[in-house]
Amino acid sequence: NAGVMQNPRHLVRRRGQEARLRCSPMKGHSHVYWYRQLPEEGLKFMVYLQKENIIDESGMPKERFSAEFPKEGPSILRIQQVVRGDSAAYFCASSPAGGPEQYFGPGTRLTVT
Amino acid sequence: DQQVKQNSPSLSVQEGRISILNCDYTNSMFDYFLWYKKYPAEGPTFLISISSIKDKNEDGRFTVFLNKSAKHLSLHIVPSQPGDSAVYFCAASDNNAGNMLTFGGGTRLMVKP
Repeated sequence: NAGVMQNPRHLVRRRGQEARLRCSPMKGHSHVYWYRQLPEEGLKFMVYLQKENIIDESGMPKERFSAEFPKEGPSILRIQQVVRGDSAAYFCASSPAGGPEQYFGPGTRLTVT
Repeated sequence: DQQVKQNSPSLSVQEGRISILNCDYTNSMFDYFLWYKKYPAEGPTFLISISSIKDKNEDGRFTVFLNKSAKHLSLHIVPSQPGDSAVYFCAASDNNAGNMLTFGGGTRLMVKP
């Protein structure tokens, strides 16, 4: 049973470009959470999605960030017009039925130059 | 406003001895607590969890203790092994708020052979 998959593992973008991060949850999991980890800090919640629905986006910056989890395909976290402060590790986690135990992917390390 | 705090950024322990990692929280609505282990450049790995209706949960070498009145939990690792060297994150969730995880800042555990 494959774990949570994220790609790309590393992403370099210049300021002003767009970043797209993908997450495929574990088989049988329909709930996806995105977290961001800044250097030397803990993980911070960004958004919680179920298939075709955003359940809670209270942790998302109000501008430039969006997320989706379509009926088919992976969940996508999109960052438009990236800035240096967006450089971080972005982790996706999934759970069955929204339970508290979440299983994390390996993360995408975004570097904005 | 940090709702989950790990006040020790690092801990060094001799192999075979007990490691005790501590975590404090402020939000009384949290009803589930988890510990994750994280290696560099990898995603957090779920270790052990505890519901707020319990005060202890044990799994092999790992035991988590919860003191609700003090809003404090701890992770005990006995005996500690060099392979346990990693960053440990405490996390908490509120079942009525979608179960997104609120993380502490992490404690780096070093187990010396």
